[in-house]
Amino acid sequence: AQSVAQPEDQVNVAEGNPLTVKCTYSVSGNPYLFWYVQYPNRGLQFLLKYITGDNLVKGSYGFEAEFNKSQTSFHLKKPSALVSDSALYFCAVGARGTYKYIFGTGTRLKVLA
Amino acid sequence: DAGVIQSPRHEVTEMGQEVTLRCKPISGHNSLFWYRQTMMRGLELLIYFNNNVPIDDSGMPEDRFSAKMPNASFSTLKIQPSEPRDSAVYFCASSFSRQPNTEAFFGQGTRLTVV
Repeated sequence: AQSVAQPEDQVNVAEGNPLTVKCTYSVSGNPYLFWYVQYPNRGLQFLLKYITGDNLVKGSYGFEAEFNKSQTSFHLKKPSALVSDSALYFCAVGARGTYKYIFGTGTRLKVLA
Repeated sequence: DAGVIQSPRHEVTEMGQEVTLRCKPISGHNSLFWYRQTMMRGLELLIYFNNNVPIDDSGMPEDRFSAKMPNASFSTLKIQPSEPRDSAVYFCASSFSRQPNTEAFFGQGTRLTVV
């Protein structure tokens, strides 16, 4: 069965420090991987994706993520966190040959000033 | 493009009433999704349309829920009769690929409260 796991409900980080939001997946074949961010009372906003090619992908607002096939992970990272990065982050996976995006349960990121 | 547009943004209704949520996808997108978001269950896919045809409605909770897509620029999700447990945020999303190899774009959502 296809699934996505975000093992941390909440991540706290001090402003200026690097941040990591974890995501692991289970899917048949090579996955399509996405990160989205949701601010309060807003829809999900696309941050970045991995489809093929370079394992390190860069996205909006200075975020990046690394696809690790052996560990089936796609962790979201940023070198220096901002208070404005505080939001709910969702990892999603799409399985080739299907139409579905499978979303994780979300990780709430709190960046402390 | 203005993105995916949903209306209304907020809906408060009494139990037993009919509720209709509306969605205008991004022009040129051929895939449309309806999701429901709750604290308990996270994001749930309710129904998927491709080229205006419902492909998978297995996520629709029960017969009280129905969805239509009469043309490429409009979709509705209807709940009749509504119940308090239907209270949630409902999102519409669209993409231009039948495969999930490109990002889906989400609307702002409709916050439904059934009292």
